[in-house]
Amino acid sequence: EDQVTQSPEALRLQEGESSSLNCSYTVSGLRGLFWYRQDPGKGPEFLFTLYSAGEEKEKERLKATLTKKESFLHITAPKPEDSATYLCAVQGLNYGGSQGNLIFGKGTKLSVKP
Amino acid sequence: KAGVTQTPRYLIKTRGQQVTLSCSPISGHRSVSWYQQTPGQGLQFLFEYFSETQRNKGNFPGRFSGRQFSNSRSEMNVSTLELGDSALYLCASSGPTGIKTQYFGPGTRLLVL
Repeated sequence: EDQVTQSPEALRLQEGESSSLNCSYTVSGLRGLFWYRQDPGKGPEFLFTLYSAGEEKEKERLKATLTKKESFLHITAPKPEDSATYLCAVQGLNYGGSQGNLIFGKGTKLSVKP
Repeated sequence: KAGVTQTPRYLIKTRGQQVTLSCSPISGHRSVSWYQQTPGQGLQFLFEYFSETQRNKGNFPGRFSGRQFSNSRSEMNVSTLELGDSALYLCASSGPTGIKTQYFGPGTRLLVL
């Protein structure tokens, strides 16, 4: 069964303190890896899709990278408004069935203090 | 382009009642997936509809059901509500083929008393 594990579960940073979130995955052939940001009580907001190892994507202070077994979401000089839960999801070759099209991790809750 | 919309945003029900939630996907998207999100379990897949047909189904009891209309709008129904059904219910839409980037709505917060 395809699986996604995110670490750490929670991360507290000071404003300006850069760090990385990890997403490890086990999938029968990767079609795509997705990062989302979710604010409390709201739906996840799409950030990035990565397709193959070595690929990188950036958006403002966020940069996502992908290897054959994991993805990292690097946050450079974070601000308090970056506080949210960051979700990682994968789509494998055998997507669908009882797991649905995307397999989600449980997320990393990021808090950035001023 | 308008995003995914869900109604109602908040709902309070009592045990034993039933509830219907609605989702309108992004224009042109024909695939709609439903998720239940709780603090302890994270996002759990309920079902996916495509062109009015249920294409995939998660491991939820038969009290959870859904349907999709010809305009791709979707509804999910939960009958005989239980306290454990309290959750954020999320709808996501995606394009018909290729990599399944899903775009989520704001969710419906259901509280069962």
